[in-house]
Amino acid sequence: EAGVAQSPRYKIIEKRQSVAFWCNPISGHATLYWYQQILGQGPKLLIQFQNNGVVDDSQLPKDRFSAERLKGVDSTLKIQPAKLEDSAVYLCASSATGQSNQPQHFGDGTRLSIL
Amino acid sequence: GEDVEQSLFLSVREGDSSVINCTYTDSSSTYLYWYKQEPGAGLQLLTYIFSNMDMKQDQRLTVLLNKKDKHLSLRIADTQTGDSAIYFCAERGVFNDYKLSFGAGTTVTVRA
Repeated sequence: EAGVAQSPRYKIIEKRQSVAFWCNPISGHATLYWYQQILGQGPKLLIQFQNNGVVDDSQLPKDRFSAERLKGVDSTLKIQPAKLEDSAVYLCASSATGQSNQPQHFGDGTRLSIL
Repeated sequence: GEDVEQSLFLSVREGDSSVINCTYTDSSSTYLYWYKQEPGAGLQLLTYIFSNMDMKQDQRLTVLLNKKDKHLSLRIADTQTGDSAIYFCAERGVFNDYKLSFGAGTTVTVRA
């Protein structure tokens, strides 16, 4: 089966600019996650969707980050305006359901550099 | 990842066994996972274990779980150069609303 697809692979922007990332989960997976992975750290969950609804966005910096999954399949994550500390890899993951016995499968990520 | 801790680096000779250790604090953990991350890539799920098991073997990989000590290990038999990567331990439990909590990763370097 095709894995989780993300684009772009790399993005370089200046601080205060806007950026958007796209994710296409594994076909049929109801649950989609966005993670932020800062260099030298493990991934940290930003937001979790179940179909087109938000399950958990408690760690999403809502003053600058937004995400949507309007039709319950693809998702976009946006940062506006970007700060230097947003430099990280943004990983998308999906699972069949949100239940704890369902492993999450990750895409290759978008590497964001803020100048 | 402050709830999951791993040693940062491991160097191993090709053909030897590697053992990567992880400790966690959430006593309600249900599932524990090992992911592998190669340079420039996302996280690849290697294996996972349910908390009522103490061992799981999958080809060259052996996972040991000591629930009493909250200690998880991953043993890679006959380590190859392709095993060089960062390995992440992760757990899900009630304490963290079943969110995946990751350690900071162990960088494994395989030397010839």
